[in-house]
Amino acid sequence: DIQLTQSPSFLSASVGDRVTITCRASQAIGSYLAWYQQEPGKAPKLLFYAASTLQSGVPSRFSGSGSGTEFTLTVSRLQPEDFATYYCQQVNTYPYTFGQGTKLEIK
Amino acid sequence: QVRLQQWGAGLLKPSETLSLSCAVYGGSFGGYYWSWIRQPPGRGLEWIGEINYSGSANYNPSLKSRVIISVDTSKNQFSLKLSSVTAADTAVYYCARVPGVLWFGYYYYYMDVWGKGTTVTVSS
Repeated sequence: DIQLTQSPSFLSASVGDRVTITCRASQAIGSYLAWYQQEPGKAPKLLFYAASTLQSGVPSRFSGSGSGTEFTLTVSRLQPEDFATYYCQQVNTYPYTFGQGTKLEIK
Repeated sequence: QVRLQQWGAGLLKPSETLSLSCAVYGGSFGGYYWSWIRQPPGRGLEWIGEINYSGSANYNPSLKSRVIISVDTSKNQFSLKLSSVTAADTAVYYCARVPGVLWFGYYYYYMDVWGKGTTVTVSS
């Protein structure tokens, strides 16, 4: 299985900060990566697919980049509703796998 | 607005079979894969498997011997059965729609619509 490792696992930041989450794959996956945001008690919400394509309705302060084995999710100006857990997912090879998650907390 | 409504038994005993269903409302059923994902308490997401309109399924090898995903196109529903459950199968189970976008000859898949989740607890 392809392993996805997110860093950091926990991130403390303030409203208005710029933060970046990294997702590294154990083997090259092209651009076959999606990012999700999950609030406590809710289903994940799609943010990006194909590594950098912003899902409709997602604010433009979110950006995604990368290909191959290294990917990043950046939030340019954190808003209160952005404090959640973020997951990357590879859809290059079965079984699809997720990163372990990055919990973004308010400082 | 596409909506996924899921249901099924929430409390099982060890060795029983987990059975969940997910109905699709407000959108097309064909042309997509339909997936199941689970999340143990306090942990990350695990892909269980998927099925398409014609019944072609793909499973996570870690669960393949115990999982069956089926589809009922007449009802726009798909279902998950997981046999011989143990406490390790305790989780929130989600269903999700999996569209694909074709770029330069390759399909890029993602999960864009999710059900609200069903909590399944396995306990004697």
